[in-house]
Amino acid sequence: GAGVSQSPSNKVTEKGKDVELRCDPISGHTALYWYRQSLGQGLEFLIYFQGNSAPDKSGLPSDRFSAERTGGSVSTLTIQRTQQEDSAVYLCASRPVSGAGNTIYFGEGSWLTVV
Amino acid sequence: GQQLNQSPQSMFIQEGEDVSMNCTSSSIFNTWLWYKQEPGEGPVLLIALYKAGELTSNGRLTAQFGITRKDSFLNISASIPSDVGIYFCAGQGDNQGGKLIFGQGTELSVKP
Repeated sequence: GAGVSQSPSNKVTEKGKDVELRCDPISGHTALYWYRQSLGQGLEFLIYFQGNSAPDKSGLPSDRFSAERTGGSVSTLTIQRTQQEDSAVYLCASRPVSGAGNTIYFGEGSWLTVV
Repeated sequence: GQQLNQSPQSMFIQEGEDVSMNCTSSSIFNTWLWYKQEPGEGPVLLIALYKAGELTSNGRLTAQFGITRKDSFLNISASIPSDVGIYFCAGQGDNQGGKLIFGQGTELSVKP
């Protein structure tokens, strides 16, 4: 596609339910990143993929969070047993190859509210 | 998670004024980036800096990569109402797969 596409754009879920957030990176981009942005805060790194593997998942806050990427393209971030503190914007980004010197492009984010 | 120290947190200025914001880090970065985020949107890249000491302009925006590689500033000259938004610095180190570390953001308000 023309840009990084994320869905859903907004999600309200009850505490304790599982949610899945989807990211479609720009076609041909091999590196994909997930960030979380809490209200009024900067972006917090969660995980990045190079192809289908995740060399760095150090930012995942707990074992309730997991992510996968298939076919070197679409990625899904799953949050199990959601808690109110999980409420945030989850941003996905992609770039042509990992490493410096390439522009990283962000999607518009998935706004998650846990009630 | 790890974050850069960005200041100021917010600014309220009059249209036409110049603006300056900066970021500092305890770690060395090899790339500094400045992004702008508007409500309901993802961050959009404004300026990328790849070399210590580099000074780069993009229209009314000027950014510099500090000599120590631990800081960067962004200046906006002659501000206009559409400059309103949140500005984020981001640093990138070596061998981290392109992972960016973000500052907390500077929220800019411009009064016409």
